Amino acid sequence: EVQLLESGGGSGQPGGSLRLSCAASGFSFSSYAMSWVRQAPGKGLEWVSTITGSLGTTYYADSVKGRFTISRDNAKNTLYLQMNSLRGEDTAVYYCAKDQWTGASNFNFASWGQGTLVAVSS
Amino acid sequence: DIQMTQSPSFLSASVGDRVTITCRASQSISSDLNWYQQKPGKAPDLLIYAASSLQSGVPSRFRGSGAGTDFTLSISNLQPEDFGSYYCQQSYSVPLTFGGGTKVDIK
Repeated sequence: EVQLLESGGGSGQPGGSLRLSCAASGFSFSSYAMSWVRQAPGKGLEWVSTITGSLGTTYYADSVKGRFTISRDNAKNTLYLQMNSLRGEDTAVYYCAKDQWTGASNFNFASWGQGTLVAVSS
Repeated sequence: DIQMTQSPSFLSASVGDRVTITCRASQSISSDLNWYQQKPGKAPDLLIYAASSLQSGVPSRFRGSGAGTDFTLSISNLQPEDFGSYYCQQSYSVPLTFGGGTKVDIK
């Protein structure tokens, strides 16, 4: 059974940093692209970033480019999101999501974690 | 960036009804369109991928159709457990984008 467990959320100050983690189990982690998707309170879904499985190619939304860094440790089956220069508009529940198939990213989010809340406020 | 426009933003229907949600892309995305269902306080679930393929375990009353710029999610014989929000998402190109969502309320 696929399991994705996010952690690292909490309160952050504008201009500050947080690092999110997503511990994966139940599948061959290194074979799948992984993504972060966020949802501001009462709002819709927003894609944040994707990293491919083996090559580690990364993609970012313009809203986070240059401030957030996605990475993965395939030995630890863990996905990360380093969030720097935080802004109020980064306040959201952050979900990690697993691609549907192995290989190059297909950008179909077949499995999701339960989410972790990031609240940015002074 | 490809804009995804969903309609309606809210609908209320009765058990047994057939409901239809539409999603329009600002440019052609071939069949690279997914649909998700989200219950309050929960993560989304993938329902339909590649515009019309049913994800494993999803009831057959859910049906996706369309290609190019216009897509439809239909739910036949609406059930009480189908309440929640539905989102389309294009997987054609980065940046990936979602529709604004449709909230389905059961009368």
